[in-house]
Amino acid sequence: AQTVTQSQPEMSVQEAETVTLSCTYDTSENNYYLFWYKQPPSRQMILVIRQEAYKQQNATENRFSVNFQKAAKSFSLKISDSQLGDTAMYFCAFMKPRSGGYQKVTFGIGTKLQVIP
Amino acid sequence: SAVISQKPSRDICQRGTSLTIQCQVDSQVTMMFWYRQQPGQSLTLIATANQGSEATYESGFVIDKFPISRPNLTFSTLTVSNMSPEDSSIYLCSVLGFTSYEQYFGPGTRLTVT
Repeated sequence: AQTVTQSQPEMSVQEAETVTLSCTYDTSENNYYLFWYKQPPSRQMILVIRQEAYKQQNATENRFSVNFQKAAKSFSLKISDSQLGDTAMYFCAFMKPRSGGYQKVTFGIGTKLQVIP
Repeated sequence: SAVISQKPSRDICQRGTSLTIQCQVDSQVTMMFWYRQQPGQSLTLIATANQGSEATYESGFVIDKFPISRPNLTFSTLTVSNMSPEDSSIYLCSVLGFTSYEQYFGPGTRLTVT
């Protein structure tokens, strides 16, 4: 079974600074997807960024980028130029695609990020 | 992307009663998921609901406690039966995107059992 570990329960960052959230996972699979989801306080969970394991290039979405180290099974999220709206719970997630209509996503326990003005 | 709505958004229920949560998607999707998120915790998958077949439940969740219906490709319901205070949680509906396997989540139903 896959496991996803987020070792930082809480983090804080000054506005406009850069912060990195860590995530490690355990799997014997070679083809899989990794995700970072954001859940702002009392708001809907949304996808931040996605990485396909077969791609060597790290995914980037505006101020958000990942450092994907497949051999080390590490998938960290870097937020540059932090903004107050980045305050949220961040979940790392793993999914192994399967045929036949059944998929399961494994989520980490989350990292609570506070952006300080 | 997919837009997902859930009803009710929140409810306070008495112990021993049941609550049915509705999930509506603005497009046809094959797979729908139901998650539970207890306060300050991560998401735990309850079951996967595919249209036209029985829901697949994860370990620790049973159909008698969490019956699920999936009558068509845009709608599903989750019932929390014979509730106890331990069922107090946020219940989330989600669907898989058509490409790249990202998930789209509903706003959640915040359930409090007294």
